[in-house]
Amino acid sequence: KAGVTQTPRYLIKTRGQQVTLSCSPISGHRSVSWYQQTPGQGLQFLFEYFSETQRNKGNFPGRFSGRQFSNSRSEMNVSTLELGDSALYLCASSLSGDWTQPQHFGDGTRLSIL
Amino acid sequence: ILNVEQSPQSLHVQEGDSTNFTCSFPSSNFYALHWYRWETAKSPEALFVMTLNGDEKKKGRISATLNTKEGYSYLYIKGSQPEDSATYLCAFNNAGNMLTFGGGTRLMVKP
Repeated sequence: KAGVTQTPRYLIKTRGQQVTLSCSPISGHRSVSWYQQTPGQGLQFLFEYFSETQRNKGNFPGRFSGRQFSNSRSEMNVSTLELGDSALYLCASSLSGDWTQPQHFGDGTRLSIL
Repeated sequence: ILNVEQSPQSLHVQEGDSTNFTCSFPSSNFYALHWYRWETAKSPEALFVMTLNGDEKKKGRISATLNTKEGYSYLYIKGSQPEDSATYLCAFNNAGNMLTFGGGTRLMVKP
């Protein structure tokens, strides 16, 4: 069974640009969550999607958005990039989005803002 | 904002030593507590998901306990091996909302 796939692995952007990251969950998993990892803040929850609906959202500005498609693939978009958005972005999938099930993480997209 | 604390932040042990670390979380509205192992250049790997007070889980040489009334979980590693070197993360979920991660404990096992 293929794991969670994130693309691209690395990305370099400049301030003010926008970026879209992609996540393909494990086959059959319907919940996809996104996390931001920075050295200072650790791993922080961005949002969670289930059946194309955003169910939960972390404490991030509106520049961070996402969506989920009918095949459960998800995209995350960050607009008007700031230097502080430089981070590792991880997505994770789980079977039903019940938090009693483990999250299965992808390898992440490392975003650098110049 | 929920406060999930892990201690110690880092730990150096010799191969063969047994070790343990702590995850502290709010004791109200508990729903689930997750443990993950994150090796360098890899993705976080789930170790345990614990839901019941008094729960004990075991996977090989690694085990975990849970006390939801006082808001803590312990992770134990028996006979540490160099391949156990990683950052161990706990994550708390309250009433099914979202996962809040602790800062992690970075374990380094010297051969």
